[in-house]
Amino acid sequence: GENVEQHPSTLSVQEGDSAVIKCTYSDSASNYFPWYKQELGKGPQLIIDIRSNVGEKKDQRIAVTLNKTAKHFSLHITETQPEDSAVYFCAAGDSNYQLIWGAGTKLIIKP
Amino acid sequence: DAGVIQSPRHEVTEMGQEVTLRCKPISGHDYLFWYRQTMMRGLELLIYFNNNVPIDDSGMPEDRFSAKMPNASFSTLKIQPSEPRDSAVYFCASSPIAYEQYFGPGTRLTVT
Repeated sequence: GENVEQHPSTLSVQEGDSAVIKCTYSDSASNYFPWYKQELGKGPQLIIDIRSNVGEKKDQRIAVTLNKTAKHFSLHITETQPEDSAVYFCAAGDSNYQLIWGAGTKLIIKP
Repeated sequence: DAGVIQSPRHEVTEMGQEVTLRCKPISGHDYLFWYRQTMMRGLELLIYFNNNVPIDDSGMPEDRFSAKMPNASFSTLKIQPSEPRDSAVYFCASSPIAYEQYFGPGTRLTVT
């Protein structure tokens, strides 16, 4: 079955710097790759997603890139702000319309 | 829309008691998912419904867990009898097209 690995588990960056979180997946049939942000005490919130026919997608300070050949995708956050501190999850959508989740990355923005 | 609504937000119960968690999905969403989140195991999909019909319950850990969706606007997850290892945050999510899932605030369950 599908397996999604996410790195790093914790990422600490200075406010204003960029942050990059990477995920790899195993099932070449996966065709949907969302990223979720989870703040303390809340449910995961969809922040950006990409489909397999697109290589990159941007939304203001957030971008996601996908390399289907290498089976990896990444989340890029530029000009980080304190409110970006949260746990970020990647996922891959399999052929059964289920999301296979990464283990999460705790992002810490240092003032 | 108010988003996915879950109740209760917190539940503390004693081992052996029955626990019922409730979820109201976003109107118009055909898919409903129940997840469990723990530090050790992360996010685990328990079961999901499409148009009120259970499609895949392979993630339900044991027969003590059951889920129903009697109509498009309501679902329950029941644990009977509850055990301390069931302590976790339970999330309900709904989706218009299966992939784009919108999560509720979760129910934090503590079984003593």
